[in-house]
Amino acid sequence: AQSVTQLDSHVSVSEGTPVLLRCNYSSSYSPSLFWYVQHPNKGLQLLLKYTSAATLVKGINGFEAEFKKSETSFHLTKPSAHMSDAAEYFCVVSNYNNNDMRFGAGTRLTVKP
Amino acid sequence: DAGVTQSPTHLIKTRGQQVTLRCSPKSGHDTVSWYQQALGQGPQFIFQYYEEEERQRGNFPDRFSGHQFPNYSSELNVNALLLGDSALYLCASSLVISSYNEQFFGPGTRLTVL
Repeated sequence: AQSVTQLDSHVSVSEGTPVLLRCNYSSSYSPSLFWYVQHPNKGLQLLLKYTSAATLVKGINGFEAEFKKSETSFHLTKPSAHMSDAAEYFCVVSNYNNNDMRFGAGTRLTVKP
Repeated sequence: DAGVTQSPTHLIKTRGQQVTLRCSPKSGHDTVSWYQQALGQGPQFIFQYYEEEERQRGNFPDRFSGHQFPNYSSELNVNALLLGDSALYLCASSLVISSYNEQFFGPGTRLTVL
């Protein structure tokens, strides 16, 4: 069985400050890990994915995440938040074939001016 | 490229009724997955279709059924609707041929059961 736990339901940052969204995973095999973003009334968009290559993964819009097997973590970071980053973020763990994707409960990111 | 499209965008039904939701995958994709996203929660995997057959299923009752057509589009059917079925239903498409494929999501169908 596999699952993810997003450690914060809500994160609030000021524009221009760093963003950290935390995710821990559980998997009985080598997982694929993803971060998706969901803006209101829009579909989920892939930010980045880890698939057993480099442990530091760079995604779109300046986001990156580091896979740490010893800590079973896959935290999402961004050096400087923009107002447009305000959205719901989901950490996802999947098996090899991506036919069993397990989403976390989500973290709502608020960016203050 | 139209991306993944879903219809309708919103739907209101009453308990006990049946509903059909539709999804057209991104051009070139052959696999469709369906998810249920309750308010304030992450999406939960319902099932995945490939080559017109259910390939994998999540922990959902038999009231939830699906179909994939030769053109790769898909339908999700829910029978005997319950109040708890109220949710955003998301469709995602991908290409099965290679592993670790990104799933592209549609905007969803918001179902309200009264």
